[in-house]
Amino acid sequence: GNSVTQMEGPVTLSEEAFLTINCTYTATGYPSLFWYVQYPGEGLQLLLKATKADDKGSNKGFEATYRKETTSFHLEKGSVQVSDSAVYFCALAGPTGGGNKLTFGTGTQLKVEL
Amino acid sequence: EPEVTQTPSHQVTQMGQEVILRCVPISNHLYFYWYRQILGQKVEFLVSFYNNEISEKSEIFDDQFSVERPDGSNFTLKIRSTKLEDSAMYFCASTSGTEVAEQYFGPGTRLTVT
Repeated sequence: GNSVTQMEGPVTLSEEAFLTINCTYTATGYPSLFWYVQYPGEGLQLLLKATKADDKGSNKGFEATYRKETTSFHLEKGSVQVSDSAVYFCALAGPTGGGNKLTFGTGTQLKVEL
Repeated sequence: EPEVTQTPSHQVTQMGQEVILRCVPISNHLYFYWYRQILGQKVEFLVSFYNNEISEKSEIFDDQFSVERPDGSNFTLKIRSTKLEDSAMYFCASTSGTEVAEQYFGPGTRLTVT
């Protein structure tokens, strides 16, 4: 079945540091890939997505590239801010169109300090 | 901006009691989901619902669980006889299905079974 593996947290960075959160997946076919973010006390919000190989998703300075050859979708940001402190979830959905369930990784907590 | 809402935000119940968790999905969405997140663990799929019937369910979603869309706006998750291990954050999500699995999540209901 489908599965997602992401790096363990928590990750603590200083403001303006470079962020990488690793995510790899196992799936049949060509899944769609997502990063969701959960701010304290809130629900999950879609951060970015990519639906086919070599697509780059980007939003709010974050980006991730769908790498089929390495089955990876690593999240990066060039300069983090304190407001980026949250839990980040990598997820995938099956390739068979709309309505598919999401399979999540364990989440990585990011803490950004001044 | 339309959003998914959930009530209550926190529910405390005794083991063996029935609980109903409520969700109001985004109004023009067609697919509805319940996920849960046990504290410190990954977000897990429970069930998906489309066209007034369950389209997929996980092994977690046993006979103690049921879902219903009673009135065209609410989407409920019922647990008939709660167990201690049902304590978790329960998230409702919905999607239009026109874009690949871009699901919108509610803020969650924290269920505590004592």
